[in-house]
Amino acid sequence: KQEVTQIPAALSVPEGENLVLNCSFTDSAIYNLQWFRQDPGKGLTSLLLIQSSQREQTSGRLNASLDKSSGRSTLYIAASQPGDSATYLCAVPAGGTSYGKLTFGQGTILTVHP
Amino acid sequence: DAGVIQSPRHEVTEMGQEVTLRCKPISGHNSLFWYRQTMMRGLELLIYFNNNVPIDDSGMPEDRFSAKMPNASFSTLKIQPSEPRDSAVYFCASSPPLGGGAGLNIQYFGAGTRLSVL
Repeated sequence: KQEVTQIPAALSVPEGENLVLNCSFTDSAIYNLQWFRQDPGKGLTSLLLIQSSQREQTSGRLNASLDKSSGRSTLYIAASQPGDSATYLCAVPAGGTSYGKLTFGQGTILTVHP
Repeated sequence: DAGVIQSPRHEVTEMGQEVTLRCKPISGHNSLFWYRQTMMRGLELLIYFNNNVPIDDSGMPEDRFSAKMPNASFSTLKIQPSEPRDSAVYFCASSPPLGGGAGLNIQYFGAGTRLSVL
């Protein structure tokens, strides 16, 4: 059974800092890995999706890396801003006919203070 | 597109009552997912449909929960009878048809329904 763990559970940083969020998964046979953002009282928004054949994906100030062999992914946020404050979740799909079934980590609650 | 639309946004009910949550996926998407989110258990997949057919319902907690997708533009999640432990935020998500092989399955989430069972 796939298990996804995110560290740290919470992170508080001053504005402008670069930061790294970590995600690890137990079954390395994944098709891809996604990072989501969740704002309080809202649904999830997909930030980045890394295919299993890729090592990283970039979108603006966000960079996500994937190391399948070690079962790890990181989300790097450059020059953090108060608007980045949210919960960040990573998720991996099951394989075979259940490719649509995502297993989520518990999330990292990020607070960026001015 | 308005995105995935869920209703109601908030639902407060008494134990034993029937609760029906509704979801309208994004037009053209052929997969639909129901999730439950709680502080204790995080985000859990309850059931998902592909082309209106249930593919995996292993996450449905018990027989009190049922889900239907009568057509490509509408789905319901029903709890009967409801219990206080069902209190959670229920999310619906949809994703477009796969292209270029399995794996590209970005899911788009609705804003959720916050359910409180007293």
